[in-house]
Amino acid sequence: DTAVSQTPKYLVTQMGNDKSIKCEQNLGHDTMYWYKQDSKKFLKIMFSYNNKELIINETVPNRFSPKSPDKAHLNLHINSLELGDSAVYFCASSQDSASGIEQYFGPGTRLTVT
Amino acid sequence: AQSVSQHNHHVILSEAASLELGCNYSYGGTVNLFWYVQYPGQHLQLLLKYFSGDPLVKGIKGFEAEFIKSKFSFNLRKPSVQWSDTAEYFCAVNLSNTGFQKLVFGTGTRLLVSP
Repeated sequence: DTAVSQTPKYLVTQMGNDKSIKCEQNLGHDTMYWYKQDSKKFLKIMFSYNNKELIINETVPNRFSPKSPDKAHLNLHINSLELGDSAVYFCASSQDSASGIEQYFGPGTRLTVT
Repeated sequence: AQSVSQHNHHVILSEAASLELGCNYSYGGTVNLFWYVQYPGQHLQLLLKYFSGDPLVKGIKGFEAEFIKSKFSFNLRKPSVQWSDTAEYFCAVNLSNTGFQKLVFGTGTRLLVSP
């Protein structure tokens, strides 16, 4: 009964390729997030969607495009991958977008760009 | 800009030792504060959170944290650690007036507990 799941768990690809990471939550939450954790373990928010609408868009390159087909899914597509995109990407969800609500995290996707 | 500092990057303790992990944030307004834990190979999980009220917050697995507003701190404590507490610990802060939840994380503290 995984609450927040991500696929794939590991992704190794070459520079210039386009790849997608999928996220699904079965908690009935309204809000979903993408975070990037770099090699120094620094975790930073990238995007947030509430009821399929984008509500937070940090200064992320245009090569990153999130898509939310429904409340339970938030996918991340990355074009023209660069070495600096290598990181662990975490999806998360929360009941709604109000402040202070606990976020539930997925297991992460380790992306390695060679 | 809002930021969160965790000064201890690596901590090594023996079992039964007491633990205190520091967390400081820089923001003058109202904040909500969190500690998350990431056990090896697992998801981030919420340990405890502070919204308002009693500044001493108790969480799961015997952890507690104290919010000291004057020091902009939210330190995590446990009186006696166990080998199973080996993990990465993240402090996070959320502004309560942004309307949308946006967590700002510290850089994490890696705790290794030796048996």
